[in-house]
Amino acid sequence: QQPVQSPQAVILREGEDAVINCSSSKALYSVHWYRQKHGEAPVFLMILLKGGEQKGHEKISASFNEKKQQSSLYLTASQLSYSGTYFCGTIMDSNYQLIWGAGTKLIIKP
Amino acid sequence: DTAVSQTPKYLVTQMGNDKSIKCEQNLGHDTMYWYKQDSKKFLKIMFSYNNKELIINETVPNRFSPKSPDKAHLNLHINSLELGDSAVYFCASSQTLGNYGYTFGSGTRLTVV
Repeated sequence: QQPVQSPQAVILREGEDAVINCSSSKALYSVHWYRQKHGEAPVFLMILLKGGEQKGHEKISASFNEKKQQSSLYLTASQLSYSGTYFCGTIMDSNYQLIWGAGTKLIIKP
Repeated sequence: DTAVSQTPKYLVTQMGNDKSIKCEQNLGHDTMYWYKQDSKKFLKIMFSYNNKELIINETVPNRFSPKSPDKAHLNLHINSLELGDSAVYFCASSQTLGNYGYTFGSGTRLTVV
């Protein structure tokens, strides 16, 4: 039931783009995305509801493909401040229990 | 003005002791959660309360007992602490049940020696 995130880790140079994927084996109500910096709490980035919408947050955007039961997080022209672990969370039913992925560690180098 | 505040931030204690972690949110949210994050960074839900009512009670040892005196507070009491309880514990809240983002507290790093 846990969503599968890929890749597990990625190292980029500042200014490069990254894509993080989150896949579920079951139909989804919604997908959450969070970023957690080292030693800090997870911070909510955005939520995508079923309907195939795409949302944006500064240079970070995400899409939700309901048919594929998959969401992708896009980081454009990455900045040093984007470093951290990105978690997706999925809601699959009306219990609204958020099921978390294992996280994708993103390292941005100058 | 802290939205979700947890105390203490650090907790070092001996095996067998009993300890509590407090959480308060000033966002007016209806739903609160306790999460455990282990050394591999996996976030595991422990408990969830909606308007003071327990709605999620995952497979957690009964040494862990949550208490919600009102919808702004969710405390976690742990009895007979074990080495394996060492982790970071996060409190979080959301507007209500449903498709709403979570706001996390800064975490409590519990070390059992």
